[in-house]
Amino acid sequence: QKEVEQDPGPLSVPEGAIVSLNCTYSNSAFQYFMWYRQYSRKGPELLMYTYSSGNKEDGRFTAQVDKSSKYISLFIRDSQPSDSATYLCAMRLNTGFQKLVFGTGTRLLVSP
Amino acid sequence: EPEVTQTPSHQVTQMGQEVILRCVPISNHLYFYWYRQILGQKVEFLVSFYNNEISEKSEIFDDQFSVERPDGSNFTLKIRSTKLEDSAMYFCATGRENTEAFFGQGTRLTVV
Repeated sequence: QKEVEQDPGPLSVPEGAIVSLNCTYSNSAFQYFMWYRQYSRKGPELLMYTYSSGNKEDGRFTAQVDKSSKYISLFIRDSQPSDSATYLCAMRLNTGFQKLVFGTGTRLLVSP
Repeated sequence: EPEVTQTPSHQVTQMGQEVILRCVPISNHLYFYWYRQILGQKVEFLVSFYNNEISEKSEIFDDQFSVERPDGSNFTLKIRSTKLEDSAMYFCATGRENTEAFFGQGTRLTVV
């Protein structure tokens, strides 16, 4: 079983739709959960950061962590064509330095 | 907005040659990382660096790889004898604390 699993997509939605992106993981020791956005041939850009379980909201983005199910989600409301990118989930342990373990990324396409 | 700067953006090198990839961290950041992303694959951790020494490294980071901060500002990744399979995007990331990582735009390394 892969440490972090993420559907590669592509996920195609019309502008204005609510987007749901998800990751599952196998290591119950993960405590920090991040979502990065990556445009083609660019570096990952940190979108959201959550510690342990719960929800976090920032503008049109909401991150959810369900540690009991080892499942994290990123919701994007009122999606825009500029949201078209690859979304990477990443996570790390609570100890040591920040070795992030990434999912493969989900490619999102938002059409006007 | 401060950002992590990487040079060069693209490097082509012959197999067996040494390459040095350079990164200028965000000012006052203390934690430094290198990640790589082979085309079509996930972002993978290589090494973390703090207080002028390696704090953690992955199995990928073998004797052919080294890192240093030669002048207290730049952070470099050296590959001594490049192999075809070293072709990838290499990302530098830095953080003020060990709970964050801001990525640069990457260096695309092509080994021929």
